[in-house]
Amino acid sequence: KNEVEQSPQNLTAQEGEFITINCSYSVGISALHWLQQHPGGGIVSLFMLSSGKKKHGRLIATINIQEKHSSLHITASHPRDSAVYICAVKGSNYKLTFGKGTLLTVNP
Amino acid sequence: GAVVSQHPSWVICKSGTSVKIECRSLDFQATTMFWYRQFPKQSLMLMATSNEGSKATYEQGVEKDKFLINHASLTLSTLTVTSAHPEDSSFYICSATRGGENSPLHFGNGTRLTVT
Repeated sequence: KNEVEQSPQNLTAQEGEFITINCSYSVGISALHWLQQHPGGGIVSLFMLSSGKKKHGRLIATINIQEKHSSLHITASHPRDSAVYICAVKGSNYKLTFGKGTLLTVNP
Repeated sequence: GAVVSQHPSWVICKSGTSVKIECRSLDFQATTMFWYRQFPKQSLMLMATSNEGSKATYEQGVEKDKFLINHASLTLSTLTVTSAHPEDSSFYICSATRGGENSPLHFGNGTRLTVT
């Protein structure tokens, strides 16, 4: 069993829909990252959080440490949000363990 | 925001040759840099952790003599794939951090290596 599980693996939405991507992990962590990887491969760090909730524009990330679960929400989704979203947990020494990613496609 | 530049973005080389990939932090000093590898449709996997001025720490299963990492300055780390083979073809990406518990990670754009 992977230490970091994401769901769903693939998600197709219509423009404007509310999107939720989930991440569960089985190890102790110091922080959790949500990353966005575009088709060319480059990665952008969206959030780093260790408790509660963070919001940036249309993106919201939440984490429940007790339940070892995090969610990434996208409000009013847009085709430019189409990408792979990756959950990664940070253990000691900044090492990240990555989920397999969720491929999001937002259709106009 | 902080920028990490990775070069080259893609490279094709012949089997048996060596390839060097550079990772630079452009506007901050990176005490720690990380190198990852990603095979198609798979997760990123950490290869090694590189601290400025010291030897890199390699993850289990990563050959340190094949993947040479140098972090000679606070703004530059290099990964050299020596005697490359077709099975080394992959997407290699670096990340960098200033250090500190709450310091964010910044990623390069990755290097697509194809070994023929």
